[in-house]
Amino acid sequence: KQEVTQIPAALSVPEGENLVLNCSFTDSAIYNLQWFRQDPGKGLTSLLLIQSSQREQTSGRLNASLDKSSGRSTLYIAASQPGDSATYLCAVNAGKSTFGDGTTLTVKP
Amino acid sequence: EAGVAQSPRYKIIEKRQSVAFWCNPISGHATLYWYQQILGQGPKLLIQFQNNGVVDDSQLPKDRFSAERLKGVDSTLKIQPAKLEDSAVYLCASSLDLGTGELFFGEGSRLTVL
Repeated sequence: KQEVTQIPAALSVPEGENLVLNCSFTDSAIYNLQWFRQDPGKGLTSLLLIQSSQREQTSGRLNASLDKSSGRSTLYIAASQPGDSATYLCAVNAGKSTFGDGTTLTVKP
Repeated sequence: EAGVAQSPRYKIIEKRQSVAFWCNPISGHATLYWYQQILGQGPKLLIQFQNNGVVDDSQLPKDRFSAERLKGVDSTLKIQPAKLEDSAVYLCASSLDLGTGELFFGEGSRLTVL
């Protein structure tokens, strides 16, 4: 059974900092890994999708990496802004997607 | 392109009552998912459809939950009778294909059971 862990559960940083969110998973036989953002009371917004054959994906200030052999993915956010405050979730897809419990990020002005 | 549509956004019911949630996926998406998200946790898969067939319903509490996807397009999730622990957000997602596709989510339906 796939287990997905996100550490830390919460993170608070001052505006402008670069930061890394972590996602680890137990079964490396995956199709892809997807990072999402969730604002309070809202659904999940897809940020980045990394296929199993890829090592990283970039979108604007976001960069996600994938290391299947170690069962890890990281989401790097450059020059953080208060608007980045949200919960970030990773989902590991091995035929069905298993989610971590997320990291709640607060960026202080 | 229209996103995943869900309704109602909010529902409050008494325990032992019934409730139904509706989802319309992105046009052309063959795979549809229902997730349950309890406050402070990540979404948990309840059921996964490919067109109008069930792919995985291993986590669906079948004594009280049911779901259907007639004609392979929109879907309904029903809870009867509801329990206090069913209070959660019910999220619908769709993807272009089974297994490998990117997931797109709706806004969710928030259920409160009193």
